[in-house]
Amino acid sequence: NIQMTQSPSAMSASVGDRVTITCRASQDISNYLAWFQQKPGKVPRHLIYDASSLQSGVPSRFSGSGSGTEFTLTISSLQPEDFATYYCLQHKSYPLTFGGGTKVEIK
Amino acid sequence: EVQLLDSGGGLVPPGGSLRLSCAASGFSFSSYAMSWVRQASGKGLEWVSSISGSGGSTYYADSVKGRFTISRDNSKNTLYLQMNSLRAEDTAVYFCAKVVMAGATQGDYWGQGTLVTVSS
Repeated sequence: NIQMTQSPSAMSASVGDRVTITCRASQDISNYLAWFQQKPGKVPRHLIYDASSLQSGVPSRFSGSGSGTEFTLTISSLQPEDFATYYCLQHKSYPLTFGGGTKVEIK
Repeated sequence: EVQLLDSGGGLVPPGGSLRLSCAASGFSFSSYAMSWVRQASGKGLEWVSSISGSGGSTYYADSVKGRFTISRDNSKNTLYLQMNSLRAEDTAVYFCAKVVMAGATQGDYWGQGTLVTVSS
């Protein structure tokens, strides 16, 4: 099974900061990597598909990069509504696996 | 408009069974794989199971293999998750989802979640 290691597990940041979250796959998953945002009590929101493509309606301050085993989600200028938990998900093969999550908190 | 309405959660004792349902509308249901994802309180997201559009292929997380069965009725546009031999660690909110399948992306559609509590 493919393991996804996400880092950091939590971070504090200020509005306007550039934020970077990393996911590492235990084997090559090409670009079959998705990023999700989840706020407390809400369903997840699919931000990025195919490692670097923005879902419709997602602000351009979000971007994704990487392929193979190393992936990055970047928020170029953190906004108040971006404080949330972020998850990566590999969908190269079953079983699908999520990363452990990164909680982005207000500094 | 795509809508997913999941239901069937509740309180069940350890070893018990429960069947979740997810009623879909607004898209060609039989054309898409569907999944169940769960989240225990205060914990991360966990993929549980997926099923192909035809229902002919099913996939499970190791944690539920042999205990849970995913199925679908394409004539009723409904997805199911039969959960047997439930354990305390199965306690979570369960979401049906049309988001990804192995090798493809399918949008950003989730049910509202249904809470399963396994406790005596």
